[in-house]
Amino acid sequence: GAGVSQSPSNKVTEKGKDVELRCDPISGHTALYWYRQSLGQGLEFLIYFQGNSAPDKSGLPSDRFSAERTGGSVSTLTIQRTQQEDSAVYLCASSLSFGGSATNEKLFFGSGTQLSVL
Amino acid sequence: GENVEQHPSTLSVQEGDSAVIKCTYSDSASNYFPWYKQELGKGPQLIIDIRSNVGEKKDQRIAVTLNKTAKHFSLHITETQPEDSAVYFCAASRGGGYQKVTFGIGTKLQVIP
Repeated sequence: GAGVSQSPSNKVTEKGKDVELRCDPISGHTALYWYRQSLGQGLEFLIYFQGNSAPDKSGLPSDRFSAERTGGSVSTLTIQRTQQEDSAVYLCASSLSFGGSATNEKLFFGSGTQLSVL
Repeated sequence: GENVEQHPSTLSVQEGDSAVIKCTYSDSASNYFPWYKQELGKGPQLIIDIRSNVGEKKDQRIAVTLNKTAKHFSLHITETQPEDSAVYFCAASRGGGYQKVTFGIGTKLQVIP
C-alpha cells in the first residue's frame, strides 16, 4: 500500500479481555516499530522488529504485552487481560532499513489504533 | 538509555511570528535528530532532521540547530501560519546499526490567526 496501515482504527473493550492490533508496514520496509501515545504524553517506545526478529523488546510494559511479525511484513501487538491504564493510541511505524543514511532512518507512521478499555 | 526532554509543552504564537521548540538529550552517542509533526487524528510525519556532523539545517520556513557539546537541539519555525498548528516531537537516535528512536514529550503549537 501507499502507507502504513493500522487496524482497527478504534477499539473499545472491556477490562480483562484480550485485544489484537494489526500493522501493515510499507512494502519493502524491514524495520517496524510500535509506540504508545497516552493522553498528554509523548511517544513511548514499545518494541521494534528487524525482519521477523525483535532485537529490542525493552519498552513492553508487562508480560501482558506481546508482539510478533511474520513474513517480514505484518505485525500484531497483543494485549492480554486488558487494564484501564492500557487505554491509549497505539502507533506503528516502519522504515526502509537500519542505519546507513538519514533516508533509511525516516519513520513512516500509521494513523494509530485508539484503544479504550472500559 | 537515551532520555529526551522537550519544552515548552504548549506554545501559542500570533500568525506571522516565530516559534522555537527546544530539546536536550542525554546519550552522547546519539547522532541523528529528527523532528516530527502530528496533526489531529494522524500519525507523526517527519518534517526535518539533522545529523551530528551538521550544526544547522534549513528547509523553507523551518530550521533546526544542534549543539552537540551541550546536547541541545532546537526547531525554529518562522512566519508561522495557522496550518503549522500541531504537536511537534523531537527525537534522538544513534543511527547506524542501532535504531531505537527516543521521542520527547511533544509541544502543542497553536498559531492564532
